[in-house]
Amino acid sequence: AQTVTQSQPEMSVQEAETVTLSCTYDTSENNYYLFWYKQPPSRQMILVIRQEAYKQQNATENRFSVNFQKAAKSFSLKISDSQLGDTAMYFCALPYGGSQGNLIFGKGTKLSVKP
Amino acid sequence: SQTIHQWPATLVQPVGSPLSLECTVEGTSNPNLYWYRQAAGRGLQLLFYSVGIGQISSEVPQNLSASRPQDRQFILSSKKLLLSDSGFYLCAWSENSYEQYFGPGTRLTVT
Repeated sequence: AQTVTQSQPEMSVQEAETVTLSCTYDTSENNYYLFWYKQPPSRQMILVIRQEAYKQQNATENRFSVNFQKAAKSFSLKISDSQLGDTAMYFCALPYGGSQGNLIFGKGTKLSVKP
Repeated sequence: SQTIHQWPATLVQPVGSPLSLECTVEGTSNPNLYWYRQAAGRGLQLLFYSVGIGQISSEVPQNLSASRPQDRQFILSSKKLLLSDSGFYLCAWSENSYEQYFGPGTRLTVT
């Protein structure tokens, strides 16, 4: 069965600094996607970044990048030049269920960016 | 572009009352649709998903039900609410069975 583990319940970072959020997962699939979602205080879930497992190159979206280690089943999110608006819960997610496209989410990491 | 709407945004209902939450998606056809619940300070729990009109699958046994009367409409219902039904309810859609896009959510408080 697929599992997603986020071992850091809370983290904090100073504005303009870099922070890395950890995620490990387990799946029996060989080709799959991994996602990071952000949930700000408004509570709407926002897709931050997507990684395709068959691609060796790590995904990057502006200040957000991932460190994808397929063999280790690790998928960390790096936020560079942290901004106050990055304060949010961050969830790692892994699809399961084939064509249904269901997602299993980690328990989340609460990130606080301090001025 | 695609947009997803949920209403109401907030709802306070007494125990034993009925519930109807609505979700609609614009700008796409035959999306997969999902209902999640998020308890305070916790992760997301998938409640129902639908791959087409009238096709509903439940992930966990519960007091709630879902229906999909139209291609882009997804409804979450209950005949009699329980205190444990309180939470934040999120609807999501997916086009390619991979990434999901979420609505703004409904905060439900059962008193």
